Amino acid sequence: ETGVTQSPTHLIKTRGQQVTLRCSSQSGHNTVSWYQQALGQGPQFIFQYYREEENGRGNFPPRFSGLQFPNYSSELNVNALELDDSALYLCASSLLTGASTDTQYFGPGTRLTVL
Amino acid sequence: DQQVKQNSPSLSVQEGRISILNCDYTNSMFDYFLWYKKYPAEGPTFLISISSIKDKNEDGRFTVFLNKSAKHLSLHIVPSQPGDSAVYFCAAHKNTNAGKSTFGDGTTLTVKP
Repeated sequence: ETGVTQSPTHLIKTRGQQVTLRCSSQSGHNTVSWYQQALGQGPQFIFQYYREEENGRGNFPPRFSGLQFPNYSSELNVNALELDDSALYLCASSLLTGASTDTQYFGPGTRLTVL
Repeated sequence: DQQVKQNSPSLSVQEGRISILNCDYTNSMFDYFLWYKKYPAEGPTFLISISSIKDKNEDGRFTVFLNKSAKHLSLHIVPSQPGDSAVYFCAAHKNTNAGKSTFGDGTTLTVKP
């Protein structure tokens, strides 16, 4: 059973550019969530995808968008990058059943720096 | 409006003693509360959780206590070990969907040998 992986590990972009971050879910999981963790803060929920559909969104603008693919891997896209987008981006996968609380498994994150 | 708060940024304890990490929340709609542990260069790892209908959950050296009237939970680690040194995040979510969790800002625990 493979864990959650993310790529790239680090990324440097310029203000105004666009970025795509990638996440490979843990085998058998149908749900992926993306979080932004700014320095010195806890992870903040961006959005969740369940079976390729968006399943809830946090307080982030539309320039943050995502995709989930049939193999349950996922992408986070950020357009028109701003300096405040500099953060660690974490993805987490889980098996959402609704029958009992699920457990989410995090990847190591992608460190994005916007200059 | 921060719905989950960890007011102590850091905690230092001696090996073998008890570590107590605290967390307060404001949203009474939360159904589950969780603790995660994070080492540098790794993602958070689930440690222990508690349902809002319980007041205590224990797993080995880790115990989580929930006081709903005070909207407060705590994580007790006993005995503390140097390998427990990490950042601990408190988190909460509604229903059964842990993937929409609200996190606190974390407490850095240092266990001294």
